[in-house]
Amino acid sequence: QQPVQSPQAVILREGEDAVINCSSSKALYSVHWYRQKHGEAPVFLMILLKGGEQKGHEKISASFNEKKQQSSLYLTASQLSYSGTYFCGTPPDSWGKLQFGAGTQVVVTP
Amino acid sequence: DGGITQSPKYLFRKEGQNVTLSCEQNLNHDAMYWYRQDPGQGLRLIYYSQIVNDFQKGDIAEGYSVSREKKESFPLTVTSAQKNPTAFYLCASSGGEGYEQYFGPGTRLTVT
Repeated sequence: QQPVQSPQAVILREGEDAVINCSSSKALYSVHWYRQKHGEAPVFLMILLKGGEQKGHEKISASFNEKKQQSSLYLTASQLSYSGTYFCGTPPDSWGKLQFGAGTQVVVTP
Repeated sequence: DGGITQSPKYLFRKEGQNVTLSCEQNLNHDAMYWYRQDPGQGLRLIYYSQIVNDFQKGDIAEGYSVSREKKESFPLTVTSAQKNPTAFYLCASSGGEGYEQYFGPGTRLTVT
């Protein structure tokens, strides 16, 4: 089952914050977050493993709530370089194959 | 530098022709994957391989074939049976504790 991401798109001014959510109908072993800039390949940002430990990458952090079967990605004090499409990926079992959400397009304007 | 290479970056073919996309990694990863991405869409898994000489179908394997004869290489053939082959094709590999995936730069295939 493909995870569900929300919102589909968000427009921010530089310095503003945003939250992207990723939820699953099945129990999650882990949640991966990737960012893809236009015309480029996705780039790995971080992985959240069972245990709820919050991870960070620059001013981008994420949390993982196993009970709610969801993860949230926090873009804090957004920069122009944060623009792109963010995908969450979840493994259907304990191994590495991922199912990706449909993506959230983020546009950061000056 | 370790990484994943895909070639070519752009590929043009006539309908009815098979075409093979190259994917090579020097990250010493066991697992490799092929994804298809259509404009404005997410990533759909075509095939994946956990180990040399073994591979499994993903969600949209029809019209595609792969081989995994070497750990470093996982080529994808788009056959003439694939109805809508024009897309952005991404290869990835994983091998870390959490199986985080690292992507190659992609190949844009256009079939006319």
